[in-house]
Amino acid sequence: LAKTTQPISMDSYEGQEVNITCSHNNIATNDYITWYQQFPSQGPRFIIQGYKTKVTNEVASLFIPADRKSSTLSLPRVSLSDTAVYYCLVGDKNTGFQKLVFGTGTRLLVSP
Amino acid sequence: GAVVSQHPSWVICKSGTSVKIECRSLDFQATTMFWYRQFPKQSLMLMATSNEGSKATYEQGVEKDKFLINHASLTLSTLTVTSAHPEDSSFYICSARPGREGLRDTQYFGPGTRLTVL
Repeated sequence: LAKTTQPISMDSYEGQEVNITCSHNNIATNDYITWYQQFPSQGPRFIIQGYKTKVTNEVASLFIPADRKSSTLSLPRVSLSDTAVYYCLVGDKNTGFQKLVFGTGTRLLVSP
Repeated sequence: GAVVSQHPSWVICKSGTSVKIECRSLDFQATTMFWYRQFPKQSLMLMATSNEGSKATYEQGVEKDKFLINHASLTLSTLTVTSAHPEDSSFYICSARPGREGLRDTQYFGPGTRLTVL
């Protein structure tokens, strides 16, 4: 049973900011939140990981509220190549993220 | 860093034959590797967890005698699909967790292997 819930799909246009929210109501104290991107017929690619507040890297930002029951992946100024499935996962960093349970993911479609 | 490769990238075989898929961590040692299966338009399903030098731990519903996993070294794990049948046709993906500090403490995924059983 997936520990996260995400919208099944989202649509956007090139140049827009996209925010994908993930619910993880039962997140444990030691759990970290990780987001992956997957293109068709490829393995998932690590995007960003965080524990609380805000994390930013060269491709995305991750916003985590104080209660940590949800998180939002923010993709600034998306392009057509950002069309992919985005997975939000929670896992215990102390145990090496054993047993990552993939939910349905969010299928993002970016149009011209 | 943290690159994982899989070989072959795709394979087509006849029903009843066995197929071996290799998963390698190219620039790090992986104490733990994971095998997933993904059907079209579906999410990844964890099949088993393998630790170097010990027996793999299989998820409920995964036949260990059909999906043989060998984690012979810190950089190589193999998945053998024995007596493959058409229903085993799927996209098989491995991942590896670095065993040393300095890398992001998460799983890094291989590119996947497309298995088609005729």
